[in-house]
Amino acid sequence: NAGVMQNPRHLVRRRGQEARLRCSPMKGHSHVYWYRQLPEEGLKFMVYLQKENIIDESGMPKERFSAEFPKEGPSILRIQQVVRGDSAAYFCASSPSKQSYNEQFFGPGTRLTVL
Amino acid sequence: GNSVTQMEGPVTLSEEAFLTINCTYTATGYPSLFWYVQYPGEGLQLLLKATKADDKGSNKGFEATYRKETTSFHLEKGSVQVSDSAVYFCALSDQNTGNQFYFGTGTSLTVIP
Repeated sequence: NAGVMQNPRHLVRRRGQEARLRCSPMKGHSHVYWYRQLPEEGLKFMVYLQKENIIDESGMPKERFSAEFPKEGPSILRIQQVVRGDSAAYFCASSPSKQSYNEQFFGPGTRLTVL
Repeated sequence: GNSVTQMEGPVTLSEEAFLTINCTYTATGYPSLFWYVQYPGEGLQLLLKATKADDKGSNKGFEATYRKETTSFHLEKGSVQVSDSAVYFCALSDQNTGNQFYFGTGTSLTVIP
């Protein structure tokens, strides 16, 4: 059973470009979470999605950031017009249900560098 | 609201030393508590968890007990190895607040031979 897949693992963008980060959850998992890890900091929640629905986006910046989890295909985190402050590691996690006692399974992360 | 406060690092220990990493939390409901470990360049891996008060999570020689009276979930290991060098994150999940995980800032552990 493959784990959570994320690609690309490393992404370099120039200021003003768009970044697209992909996440395929574990097989059988329909709950996806995105987190951002800034250098020397812990992970901060961004958004929680189920198939075709955004459940909680309270951690998402109001501008330039969007997320989706379509019926078919991976979840996508999109950052438009990137700025240097967007440089971070972005982690996706999945879980089989919404029960809080379930662990979340994390992908290896996408490390975004904005030049 | 929910939050996790974790002992700041970095922590450097000699091999076979005893390890304690402190973690305390605040929560609005009845959270589940977790310790995750992150090796360099990798994602987070679950180390152990506890879902209710007085539960003890354990794995690979690591242990942590869910203490509701002190709102703590300290991580311990009796004898660390060089391979335990990593960053350790304490986290909580509370269904009342949408199941997102709240993470501490992480504690970097280096074990020297």
